[in-house]
Amino acid sequence: EAQVTQNPRYLITVTGKKLTVTCSQNMNHEYMSWYRQDPGLGLRQIYYSMNVEVTDKGDVPEGYKVSRKEKRNFPLILESPSPNQTSLYFCASSLFAGELFFGEGSRLTVL
Amino acid sequence: GENVEQHPSTLSVQEGDSAVIKCTYSDSASNYFPWYKQELGKGPQLIIDIRSNVGEKKDQRIAVTLNKTAKHFSLHITETQPEDSAVYFCAASFHGSGNTGKLIFGQGTTLQVKP
Repeated sequence: EAQVTQNPRYLITVTGKKLTVTCSQNMNHEYMSWYRQDPGLGLRQIYYSMNVEVTDKGDVPEGYKVSRKEKRNFPLILESPSPNQTSLYFCASSLFAGELFFGEGSRLTVL
Repeated sequence: GENVEQHPSTLSVQEGDSAVIKCTYSDSASNYFPWYKQELGKGPQLIIDIRSNVGEKKDQRIAVTLNKTAKHFSLHITETQPEDSAVYFCAASFHGSGNTGKLIFGQGTTLQVKP
């Protein structure tokens, strides 16, 4: 089954404790992206990757890092999480310029 | 850069009625306008899209219209059913040969269909 898998789905952590949200897709898509969803703000892009070893900032990259060492994986790293990073996070992938396929989301709470 | 405004933020209709969600965009170069539906606890899923070379596209009970001059596009759902209850996002971007712009999303509309 074609899918984008994110883990963990739910996470509560404390300020400053590094965490990684993993994302994996099995559709051989070149393009992958991370979004955060906040009430009233819609989906805002954090980082995206056009292909392996190619990443670029989206609209709200501050406080986040990503890497794309393999085509299928695109982890999101929060080196020192802060409460303003409490949000619902989505990973998505697509063939270049095609339909975006989203994961089921990771709800993160930073205390 | 592109900016997409979506209205209303919430919409409540009776089952069987129609629902309309409207979006405006700022960048006249945008030529691709998808709509995504997000059910509770799930990620958004593409339900319909339109490119700027057409003014309307229909798929069963859903349709999208595009007014390039006014830079706005709308999602129309007819004969609404309880399973249409979800959050809907519009988006806009530029698609060209060898060049694709970032997809910018609207703020989302929470649609509630009352039985």
